[in-house]
Amino acid sequence: QSALTQPASVSGSPGQSITISCTGTSSDVGGYNYVSWYQQHPGKAPKLMIYDVSDRPSGVSNRFSGSKSGNTASLTISGLQAEDEADYYCSSYTSSNTGVFGTGTKVTVL
Amino acid sequence: EVQLVESGGGLVKPGGSLRLSCAASGFTFSSYSMNWVRQAPGKGLEWVSSISSSSTYIYYADSLKGRFTISRDNAKNSLYLQVNSLRADDTAVYYCTRDHSALYYFDYWGQGTLVTVSS
Repeated sequence: QSALTQPASVSGSPGQSITISCTGTSSDVGGYNYVSWYQQHPGKAPKLMIYDVSDRPSGVSNRFSGSKSGNTASLTISGLQAEDEADYYCSSYTSSNTGVFGTGTKVTVL
Repeated sequence: EVQLVESGGGLVKPGGSLRLSCAASGFTFSSYSMNWVRQAPGKGLEWVSSISSSSTYIYYADSLKGRFTISRDNAKNSLYLQVNSLRADDTAVYYCTRDHSALYYFDYWGQGTLVTVSS
């Protein structure tokens, strides 16, 4: 159950698009379309942003989108806004019927 | 409105035990798998344990097996985590989460309860 690998930080200017990667193995990310993404602001509980690789829960902005290729999933934030500055975590179902999170990425809006 | 309210955290000495609780409301608790997720201060999220809707299936993170025990009482709409033999590296905020579809999509989170392990 090693954590999924994410870049420590990603930054962009308002209005730009950024992409956060999440790399696992064939036993988690690559083996199932059960990847989710969470946004966490300081001092707050995480919020589900994407599930099933690319589906958005009701109420989540369509500026957030997800995809997957092989063992790597990605979260793209388009039209970056100041309120998007937060930590982001990916998560995946695993072949052991457990869950695993990514290492987390801090998004900075310049 | 879905609400998850954790309790039971606090300061405990190394080797000690705690029982964390999560009171659920606003949804049919007995229909959902539930999980505990923790976050050490300044660190990332770590999945801890899951329990299916009827307690048939229970899973733990490998590193925690044997020390942590998850349980639930559907009659009381409550989730529990018994944590034993606590170590300093168990210091974290422990979140109760609802699993959207038993596939580790956590669509609702509590506010968390802080467990501090220190002498």
